[in-house]
Amino acid sequence: DGGITQSPKYLFRKEGQNVTLSCEQNLNHDAMYWYRQDPGQGLRLIYYSQIVNDFQKGDIAEGYSVSREKKESFPLTVTSAQKNPTAFYLCASSDRVRDTQYFGPGTRLTVL
Amino acid sequence: DAKTTQPPSMDCAEGRAANLPCNHSTISGNEYVYWYRQIHSQGPQYIIHGLKNNETNEMASLIITEDRKSSTLILPHATLRDTAVYYCIVRAILTGGGNKLTFGTGTQLKVEL
Repeated sequence: DGGITQSPKYLFRKEGQNVTLSCEQNLNHDAMYWYRQDPGQGLRLIYYSQIVNDFQKGDIAEGYSVSREKKESFPLTVTSAQKNPTAFYLCASSDRVRDTQYFGPGTRLTVL
Repeated sequence: DAKTTQPPSMDCAEGRAANLPCNHSTISGNEYVYWYRQIHSQGPQYIIHGLKNNETNEMASLIITEDRKSSTLILPHATLRDTAVYYCIVRAILTGGGNKLTFGTGTQLKVEL
């Protein structure tokens, strides 16, 4: 069953703690993306990666970090430097041919 | 990035066609128009995309005006399960490849009995 998985669905952390959100895809897509969504707002691009071991900052990268050691995986770390980390985080992937992004179910992070 | 303008909300009766408009007057000649929808607290779902010609798939039809400054997404027979926020997006190409989707606030479509 092909698709994008994000875990966990809900995540709670104390202020000042780093937290890593998981994103895995078995679609054999080259490109992967992380977006953030705040209530009533659209999505904003945090980081993206076109190939393994390479990634680029999006529009709101400050306070976040990523890695791309495997084609299937693109974890996002929300660091303590992120001023307002509470949000809905969405991962997406796309292939080079169709170039259409497909999204995972999202992780809702709440920092207490 | 080309900006899009959509009405904040629309209502539609179940079984009727839902026509969702989008203005993108600053679109460039090689930029695609994408439509996604998002049901509350879920990831966005891809619907359809197009460049110049009208497109149709199993979910919807996309009508793009000849000057490409606006488009309409048509759900031919709306059901209650089509209630969602619909996003019209002009896709930008990223430096080094790949694409960027800039989501606005979309149109909240409510399908009612």
